[in-house]
Amino acid sequence: TQLLEQSPQFLSIQEGENLTVYCNSSSVFSSLQWYRQEPGEGPVLLVTVVTGGEVKKLKRLTFQFGDARKDSSLHITAAQPGDTGLYLCAGALGAGSYQLTFGKGTKLSVIP
Amino acid sequence: GAGVSQSPSNKVTEKGKDVELRCDPISGHTALYWYRQSLGQGLEFLIYFQGNSAPDKSGLPSDRFSAERTGGSVSTLTIQRTQQEDSAVYLCASSYLPYRGRNTGELFFGEGSRLTVL
Repeated sequence: TQLLEQSPQFLSIQEGENLTVYCNSSSVFSSLQWYRQEPGEGPVLLVTVVTGGEVKKLKRLTFQFGDARKDSSLHITAAQPGDTGLYLCAGALGAGSYQLTFGKGTKLSVIP
Repeated sequence: GAGVSQSPSNKVTEKGKDVELRCDPISGHTALYWYRQSLGQGLEFLIYFQGNSAPDKSGLPSDRFSAERTGGSVSTLTIQRTQQEDSAVYLCASSYLPYRGRNTGELFFGEGSRLTVL
């Protein structure tokens, strides 16, 4: 059983379109992070959300943490080819937890 | 270099052989993690080191897997008697602070070591 379910698994869109990817769980997380991974590289942190209902914006990316701290979403406005990559959500289950649990990721392709 | 360094970047081995994967974390980072990423899967936690504390080995899939961290810096992940299911990308990450719940610590990942067991 996957603790963090990400959807969709694959997404192919045209440049300029908007998109949302989701990260869901039945467990409550103390905090949640989103990473982006490009082929042949390690994941790179995009954002950390810690408060239920929190919304963070990073240029064209908007991240939301659910009120119950069980889910999160990433919205990209006017996607660009440079947004192509694997988007991973990762969460820590408890306040004292140092284990980050990762979802399987959403593989995004933005076609010029 | 300034980032996490892993070697080798690619390793092809025969079933039954032992392999060693090396991770050189960012200087000053006290926490070090090993994750495994198989095709189509997310990152699977393997082991965690923090300072001089006993490592958390709860993610190691079998006793064929072991890891050590010498001098609080370089870490080596050893896989004995490799099996085909061990084929994956092994990622190492380091962090200045251990990631503990609401601590907004960032994990810095290396590029990974791609292991192929024939």
